[in-house]
Amino acid sequence: KAGVTQTPRYLIKTRGQQVTLSCSPISGHRSVSWYQQTPGQGLQFLFEYFSETQRNKGNFPGRFSGRQFSNSRSEMNVSTLELGDSALYLCASSFLPGTPYSGANVLTFGAGSRLTVL
Amino acid sequence: AQSVTQLGSHVSVSEGALVLLRCNYSSSVPPYLFWYVQYPNQGLQLLLKYTTGATLVKGINGFEAEFKKSETSFHLTKPSAHMSDAAEYFCAVITNRDDKIIFGKGTRLHILP
Repeated sequence: KAGVTQTPRYLIKTRGQQVTLSCSPISGHRSVSWYQQTPGQGLQFLFEYFSETQRNKGNFPGRFSGRQFSNSRSEMNVSTLELGDSALYLCASSFLPGTPYSGANVLTFGAGSRLTVL
Repeated sequence: AQSVTQLGSHVSVSEGALVLLRCNYSSSVPPYLFWYVQYPNQGLQLLLKYTTGATLVKGINGFEAEFKKSETSFHLTKPSAHMSDAAEYFCAVITNRDDKIIFGKGTRLHILP
């Protein structure tokens, strides 16, 4: 079955612009979470959506937002881009949100969207 | 809140040698622990996980990890390194209390011929 699909894979923006990234989860997965990966900070949790509701949020400014649609696809948006927003943005899906991560309920990651802000 | 520390941002081992990647966690409640691997230009792939039960966990590609509560550790090992093991490895923790997965900074594994 198809994995987690993220689009676009690569994009370049300039400071002040906004960007929207898309994530299509594995079929049947209803939970989608987003992460920012940078060389300095590593992987940081952005937010998690389940059944179109944000159920958890990391420590990021309000410029970072997301949403989930009825088909479980998710988008994240970053407004007023800053140079420091350059990163690999990873999306992951699972059957259920949060714990327990037992049995088949594990996070499956997409290949990521690499954002460069100039 | 829980945290994860991975000792060594870069580890080099010779092909055929033992691989040992260290992970220590901090949690006041029983944790769920994971190791993920990331190959260049790819997302993270689950290697193995500890939830409950047996403390020695076997994963894919010959890797295994042992949960040691007394040492708050979850080190990843592989008896014999292969060139294809070169990648970045992430240790992660989540608990029922906090419900947010926390990743370590990662360890890049280099395999020397």
